[in-house]
Amino acid sequence: DQQVKQNSPSLSVQEGRISILNCDYTNSMFDYFLWYKKYPAEGPTFLISISSIKDKNEDGRFTVFLNKSAKHLSLHIVPSQPGDSAVYFCAAPNAGGTSYGKLTFGQGTILTVHP
Amino acid sequence: NAGVTQTPKFQVLKTGQSMTLQCAQDMNHEYMSWYRQDPGMGLRLIHYSVGAGITDQGEVPNGYNVSRSTTEDFPLRLLSAAPSQTSVYFCASSRDIDQPQHFGDGTRLSIL
Repeated sequence: DQQVKQNSPSLSVQEGRISILNCDYTNSMFDYFLWYKKYPAEGPTFLISISSIKDKNEDGRFTVFLNKSAKHLSLHIVPSQPGDSAVYFCAAPNAGGTSYGKLTFGQGTILTVHP
Repeated sequence: NAGVTQTPKFQVLKTGQSMTLQCAQDMNHEYMSWYRQDPGMGLRLIHYSVGAGITDQGEVPNGYNVSRSTTEDFPLRLLSAAPSQTSVYFCASSRDIDQPQHFGDGTRLSIL
């Protein structure tokens, strides 16, 4: 049972435009959500997180939005750059709370930013 | 500044062989974990450790053993490799369980 789902396997965007990556979850006990970025032949790198008590968290070009009623979150990248091309994973602590060490991951979305 | 180091980067095994995947971190992190990544399934937690001498099972522990004799090292053992264990394995660490993790670059394992 996939508790965290990323239904878009890939996304292609022009440089300078906005990239929107989506994630849905089924477990209402999830309190925190994280986004990881992964380049080929490298491990995932933590990008940004959001607590369930917020509906938005911003860090430079990256903003994560959370809609608890819809059990949906999204990562916005503005403006998109070719270096943002990577696989993006949505994740949540599977024990609830802030146990980031025990994560449930989505399937990932491959983002390609064209020059 | 090594961070999390995994060895080997690639390995091919025959069914039934045993192997240990090595993971070492130099950040004095208490929490370490192992994940496997399979196509279309994201990363899944195999085992984790909250400190030296303490380990516990994750989501997919069957077929794998771990031990944590030191803070720095967290090896993952396959006792009798099966084709279903063909995957990319990632080790991760963090200062404690409530901090985002640092991942190694992975070990790509193929079981024939």
